[in-house]
Amino acid sequence: NAGVMQNPRHLVRRRGQEARLRCSPMKGHSHVYWYRQLPEEGLKFMVYLQKENIIDESGMPKERFSAEFPKEGPSILRIQQVVRGDSAAYFCASSLQGWHQPQHFGDGTRLSIL
Amino acid sequence: GQQLNQSPQSMFIQEGEDVSMNCTSSSIFNTWLWYKQDPGEGPVLLIALYKAGELTSNGRLTAQFGITRKDSFLNISASIPSDVGIYFCAGPGSNNNDMRFGAGTRLTVKP
Repeated sequence: NAGVMQNPRHLVRRRGQEARLRCSPMKGHSHVYWYRQLPEEGLKFMVYLQKENIIDESGMPKERFSAEFPKEGPSILRIQQVVRGDSAAYFCASSLQGWHQPQHFGDGTRLSIL
Repeated sequence: GQQLNQSPQSMFIQEGEDVSMNCTSSSIFNTWLWYKQDPGEGPVLLIALYKAGELTSNGRLTAQFGITRKDSFLNISASIPSDVGIYFCAGPGSNNNDMRFGAGTRLTVKP
C-alpha cells in the first residue's frame, strides 16, 4: 500500500507480554505517524516522529507505550505489559515532509491480546 | 476538541447510482483530506483540499472544501462494485501535529 511496510501483519500476545510493531516508511520519507483503529471507528492519532525525534506524542498513552524512529532502521511502536484493551489495528503512515504533505499508510498490524 | 462528524454512517446503493457524503466540524480546518479504506488494508488518500471553496476531482470522485472551512463533501458518480469500502474525512488538529479522522461512511454497492 503505497510502499509503507508494516510488520507483522498480525500479532498475538498474552496479557502482560510486550508487543513490538515495526514500520518502514516510503523511501525518502523522514516523517512517520502512528495511529490506532478500533473496529467500526476512525483512526486515532498516537505519535508523530521525525528521524530520531518525537515531534508530538499527545495521542499516545503515557504508560506502557513508547515509539522510536532511529537513524537507521524502521520505526518501532512498543507496548509493554499488554492488556486486552490494547487489541486494535495499528497503522503507520509516512510523508515526505510534515503535515501539509499527503500521508501514505501501511496495511497495519492487527494486535490481538489473549 | 476538534471532532469530525461524518454522515451518513452507512449507505447501501445500487451500482450506477451517485453517492454523496459529508463531514462537518465545529472548528475550522485548513486542510481536508478524504481517504478510502478497504477491509484489511490501510487508508488510501483519494483527494486533498487546501483552500476554502476548492472543488477537486479525481476520476469519478469530486470533493469540495466548504466555504466556512467547517465542512467538506465527497461525491462519487456512477458507482461501481469496487467503490465498496469505508470513506474517511481527515484534517490536521489544532496544533497541526496530529491528524483527526471522522468515524467513516461505510459504502455498500449492490451489483
